[in-house]
Amino acid sequence: GAVVSQHPSRVICKSGTSVKIECRSLDFQATTMFWYRQFPKKSLMLMATSNEGSKATYEQGVEKDKFLINHASLTLSTLTVTSAHPEDSSFYICSARAPGPSGNTIYFGEGSWLTVV
Amino acid sequence: AQSVTQLDSQVPVFEEAPVELRCNYSSSVSVYLFWYVQYPNQGLQLLLKYLSGSTLVKGINGFEAEFNKSQTSFHLRKPSVHISDTAEYFCAVSENSGNTPLVFGKGTRLSVIA
Repeated sequence: GAVVSQHPSRVICKSGTSVKIECRSLDFQATTMFWYRQFPKKSLMLMATSNEGSKATYEQGVEKDKFLINHASLTLSTLTVTSAHPEDSSFYICSARAPGPSGNTIYFGEGSWLTVV
Repeated sequence: AQSVTQLDSQVPVFEEAPVELRCNYSSSVSVYLFWYVQYPNQGLQLLLKYLSGSTLVKGINGFEAEFNKSQTSFHLRKPSVHISDTAEYFCAVSENSGNTPLVFGKGTRLSVIA
């Protein structure tokens, strides 16, 4: 089946630094990927829609200058948390919709645990 | 816009007992429906999905769900649970057209008791 891979799975960074999370669709091309954030014991909240070759579309309340999204190719989207602070610590997960026989199923990456110290 | 309501935040159940996790949605357009499971400290795994056709959908690990359009529900069921089913379960909905994201419910914590 369709596979979406995320890297790194866990990252610890110092407050004030930036960290990049990669999301790759391994066996299909994804013109659109989605980035979600999950707070502890909470549901997943859509942060932004990443569009290949164009600017990302951010949800209301998400700082686009803090959470930089780049969708440079049909198989890679990156989320960069800039000037990270402890409140940015969270579980970040990406997803992409697989075309064709998979029937519009959205597959998720394994997620990335970010801890800002 | 769509929304998803999972009425039960926590469901404790004894091992080998049946379980139903409830999910209701609202939408002004036709939708696709999904159930995902999240084990502790892990990402999301697709359990099953409804796109069209038969309203009874069977998924992995013995789970099934039934789409009820009149009641706008997509409840998840399993006739006999195992300890290993202990996890967080998320119901999600998306429009059935275009490349739209999923909207998630708040999740239901299933705890299976030995």
